[in-house]
Amino acid sequence: GAVVSQHPSRVICKSGTSVKIECRSLDFQATTMFWYRQFPKQSLMLMATSNEGSKATYEQGVEKDKFLINHASLTLSTLTVTSAHPEDSSFYICSASLDMESSPLHFGNGTRLTVT
Amino acid sequence: GDSVTQMEGPVTLSEEAFLTINCTYTATGYPSLFWYVQYPGEGLQLLLKATKADDKGSNKGFEATYRKETTSFHLEKGSVQVSDSAVYFCALSSSNTGKLIFGQGTTLQVKP
Repeated sequence: GAVVSQHPSRVICKSGTSVKIECRSLDFQATTMFWYRQFPKQSLMLMATSNEGSKATYEQGVEKDKFLINHASLTLSTLTVTSAHPEDSSFYICSASLDMESSPLHFGNGTRLTVT
Repeated sequence: GDSVTQMEGPVTLSEEAFLTINCTYTATGYPSLFWYVQYPGEGLQLLLKATKADDKGSNKGFEATYRKETTSFHLEKGSVQVSDSAVYFCALSSSNTGKLIFGQGTTLQVKP
């Protein structure tokens, strides 16, 4: 079945540095990818929709200059947390959609970001 | 806007007990409904889905029926196992954009 790979699974960085998280669709082409954020014991909140070859669409309240999304190919989307701060520590999860008509049924295993 | 509400957890059951996790939704139009499961330290896995009223999704012994009249999609399993211990998320998708709106999640703990 379809698989979405997310890397790294865990990352610890110092405050002020930037961190890049990769999301790859391994056996299908994903025209659309989604980035979610999950706080401890809370639900997933959609951050942005990543569209191959065009700018990402950010949800209300998400800083696009802080959370840079690049979807350069049909199999790869990256999320870069710039100038990270401790409050950015969270669990980030991506998902990939086969096409715009279907809901994203394939999730990555998530990335645990800790900013010290 | 659209929203999903789940029963609060944690839900603690003994092995072979009957499970119900309630989920209700608010949405315009006719959304598709999903249950996802998240095992410790992992991402989400689709458990089951239903795309129209009265549809029943089922997988691995879990079932949920899309009830339009009560705007509900309750998750049930007749006999839980320790390996079912996880966080369960109810979600809806009400557009062709592929966006999912999640409930807050319900932690299930099954004791031997």
